[in-house]
Amino acid sequence: QKEVEQNSGPLSVPEGAIASLNCTYSDRGSQSFFWYRQYSGKSPELIMSIYSNGDKEDGRFTAQLNKASQYVSLLIRDSQPSDSATYLCASYSGGGADGLTFGKGTHLIIQP
Amino acid sequence: GAVVSQHPSWVICKSGTSVKIECRSLDFQATTMFWYRQFPKQSLMLMATSNEGSKATYEQGVEKDKFLINHASLTLSTLTVTSAHPEDSSFYICSATAHNEQFFGPGTRLTVL
Repeated sequence: QKEVEQNSGPLSVPEGAIASLNCTYSDRGSQSFFWYRQYSGKSPELIMSIYSNGDKEDGRFTAQLNKASQYVSLLIRDSQPSDSATYLCASYSGGGADGLTFGKGTHLIIQP
Repeated sequence: GAVVSQHPSWVICKSGTSVKIECRSLDFQATTMFWYRQFPKQSLMLMATSNEGSKATYEQGVEKDKFLINHASLTLSTLTVTSAHPEDSSFYICSATAHNEQFFGPGTRLTVL
């Protein structure tokens, strides 16, 4: 059974601070990991993808992957009120024909 | 990035009727598409994998006779919710893989009265 675990929150962070979101996964065969942002009533939007151990930076976002610990994280620097949303962590184990396994999401609130 | 569309964006129907939802890849061909369902304050749950030209693969606990999937072309997959009941009310989202990433459609909000 593939599982992705996230703290549901809410996680409250002051504007301008760093928001840290965490995720663990159970399937050691997982190859790729994704962070999606989802606003209420909307479809998920891809924020970051990461495939190998270490850090990957894109603008204000940094994804971190540690396959030995089965741990994925997302850092958001200089948090803005518009970053307030639910962040979904997802893992992918297949070769193109498998769906993603999603965590339940962390609700992030950026306080102005 | 790749664009995936869904139609309709929302639908309200009476209990016992059937509802068809379309998922289209607009600027790429997708041999595989995925259908997810999301209940309020819950995560996305994969319902089935739609394969062009062959039968869909359903996740455990998803009734294939109730959720009919047709993937007749490389750009279109349809999900039909047959004999819908209020407990089928949910947010249905499709996705397709392009460039090793999954792109999601905007979702369809189904409300069964």
